[in-house]
Amino acid sequence: GESVGLHLPTLSVQEGDNSIINCAYSNSASDYFIWYKQESGKGPQFIIDIRSNMDKRQGQRVTVLLNKTVKHLSLQIAATQPGDSAVYFCAESRPGTYKYIFGTGTRLKVLA
Amino acid sequence: DADVTQTPRNRITKTGKRIMLECSQTKGHDRMYWYRQDPGLGLRLIYYSFDVKDINKGEISDGYSVSRQAQAKFSLSLESAIPNQTALYFCATSESGGGSTDTQYFGPGTRLTVL
Repeated sequence: GESVGLHLPTLSVQEGDNSIINCAYSNSASDYFIWYKQESGKGPQFIIDIRSNMDKRQGQRVTVLLNKTVKHLSLQIAATQPGDSAVYFCAESRPGTYKYIFGTGTRLKVLA
Repeated sequence: DADVTQTPRNRITKTGKRIMLECSQTKGHDRMYWYRQDPGLGLRLIYYSFDVKDINKGEISDGYSVSRQAQAKFSLSLESAIPNQTALYFCATSESGGGSTDTQYFGPGTRLTVL
């Protein structure tokens, strides 16, 4: 079922275009950030992470940008493919807490 | 992630029943977590465990209990299920490298419906 993802903001992107998914985090003391991908019927899958001493980190077809001034995190996916269709959400963690705070997510739809 | 497994994957039960959800991992991680996911909300932490003898409440522990039977096993129980516990439940694990930068890896989830 698709019960997770109801009422989420949706980003529709043409196949082959680049996608940018945004996340505003809540606490300026957070020092670690992660992006997860969640496909229908599956658990969240780690995509990429970044520490607060960095502004940018690149993976395979994905880039995470961190703007600590405005507490903003973005995930860029290059050459978006149908398999990228999923819900994407960010998580933040603060020093010493060992706990994550999760965003609600954005649904990415890739149009053929 | 196949290294973190959850059983059952789907469960329908009635109000008042006791339910146990199980999680096993082969990652060798010390830390394990239970979350629930509801539509329109982020994952919320129910309980977490840093080792077999360490159990901690998360932000929404009321109505739940856990047991860490071994390093690789962490089970979640609903003592008397109620309809607002209908949700997706996820188990996660992480290493114990210290600090807040331990990446958490999730199981496939259990869909629980309480009638």
